[in-house]
Amino acid sequence: GAVVSQHPSWVICKSGTSVKIECRSLDFQATTMFWYRQFPKQSLMLMATSNEGSKATYEQGVEKDKFLINHASLTLSTLTVTSAHPEDSSFYICSARSGGGGSYGYTFGSGTRLTVV
Amino acid sequence: GENVEQHPSTLSVQEGDSAVIKCTYSDSASNYFPWYKQELGKRPQLIIDIRSNVGEKKDQRIAVTLNKTAKHFSLHITETQPEDSAVYFCAASRGSGAGSYQLTFGKGTKLSVIP
Repeated sequence: GAVVSQHPSWVICKSGTSVKIECRSLDFQATTMFWYRQFPKQSLMLMATSNEGSKATYEQGVEKDKFLINHASLTLSTLTVTSAHPEDSSFYICSARSGGGGSYGYTFGSGTRLTVV
Repeated sequence: GENVEQHPSTLSVQEGDSAVIKCTYSDSASNYFPWYKQELGKRPQLIIDIRSNVGEKKDQRIAVTLNKTAKHFSLHITETQPEDSAVYFCAASRGSGAGSYQLTFGKGTKLSVIP
């Protein structure tokens, strides 16, 4: 089945530094990538949607200059949290979707636990 | 945009009993309704899904029903086992075909199965 590899699985960084999270689709072309954030005991909240080769579309309230998304290829999308602060500590999950043929399901990465100290 | 409401937020059942989780959605154009099971610190796992051209779908102990008119869909788990304990999320999307339609999630139900 479709697999999305997400790295790192956890990261601790100091306030003010930047952290990059990668999601790779291993056996299919991820035309669309969704990035979610999940706070403890809460649901997944969509941050942004990116299509390969295009600028990401951010949800209301999500700062595009703080959460930089790059989707330069059909198998790789990255989320960079810039100038991280403790309130950015959360569980970040990507979800990839194929654009045509086969399954149209959503394949989730394994998530990244970010802790900003 | 889409709004998905999920109830209850917590549910405790005795092992062997059934569990039912209900969701409503607001966007009449939504046509794909997956259910996910998420264990602590792990990714959501798809357990069953239903498309709007179907009213019911069953996979062993798990079933999902959809009422398009009322914009309701429900998850039914029979003969619950302790390993069913987890957080369950319903979701809705316009995207049963190709396209960049996002999933909108409910707030989740924490299911506890008591041995």
